Amino acid sequence: SQTIHQWPATLVQPVGSPLSLECTVEGTSNPNLYWYRQAAGRGLQLLFYSVGIGQISSEVPQNLSASRPQDRQFILSSKKLLLSDSGFYLCAWMNLREDYGYTFGSGTRLTVV
Amino acid sequence: EDKVVQSPLSLVVHEGDTVTLNCSYEVTNFRSLLWYKQEKKAPTFLFMLTSSGIEKKSGRLSSILDKKELFSILNITATQTGDSAVYLCAALTFGQNFVFGPGTRLSVLP
Repeated sequence: SQTIHQWPATLVQPVGSPLSLECTVEGTSNPNLYWYRQAAGRGLQLLFYSVGIGQISSEVPQNLSASRPQDRQFILSSKKLLLSDSGFYLCAWMNLREDYGYTFGSGTRLTVV
Repeated sequence: EDKVVQSPLSLVVHEGDTVTLNCSYEVTNFRSLLWYKQEKKAPTFLFMLTSSGIEKKSGRLSSILDKKELFSILNITATQTGDSAVYLCAALTFGQNFVFGPGTRLSVLP
């Protein structure tokens, strides 16, 4: 069966520090992977998506970047965090063959202080 | 610009009540409408609706899509405290893009 792992679950980082959030998928190959940010009362905002190794599409310009170093690995990074980067980050895998749409990771609550 | 609107944004009911959550969409190349339930962390899948007028049911939850009027509703009957969550509606396009609504926060009081 396919599973998606995301870590860490919670992170408190000072302003100006780097960020690395990791997401991995098991049980499938060449998945479409997505990073979303969820702000309170604003739903989910798509940040990046990737259809394959080294292929990254950015939806909104910001202080973050993403990388896909391996087929089942998707990383969200920042060189210098801003206060406005605080939020709840979700990694997702799309599986349209099983009528499930997205399967989400468990999320990372990032607080920049 | 593609958008999904949900109403109400927040709702408080008592156990046993029936609730209807609304989702309207304006999306180019619309394919399907999905509902998710988000409790404390990751959203979990509830329904995917592609055809108009066909109700999908899962226990006390049901949902239907109207592609002519561009909306969907999610009904929950005999609500329980465990139904308390944020309910997200999302439109999926043929380009495999998701557009999420802001969510409806449902609180069910005992």
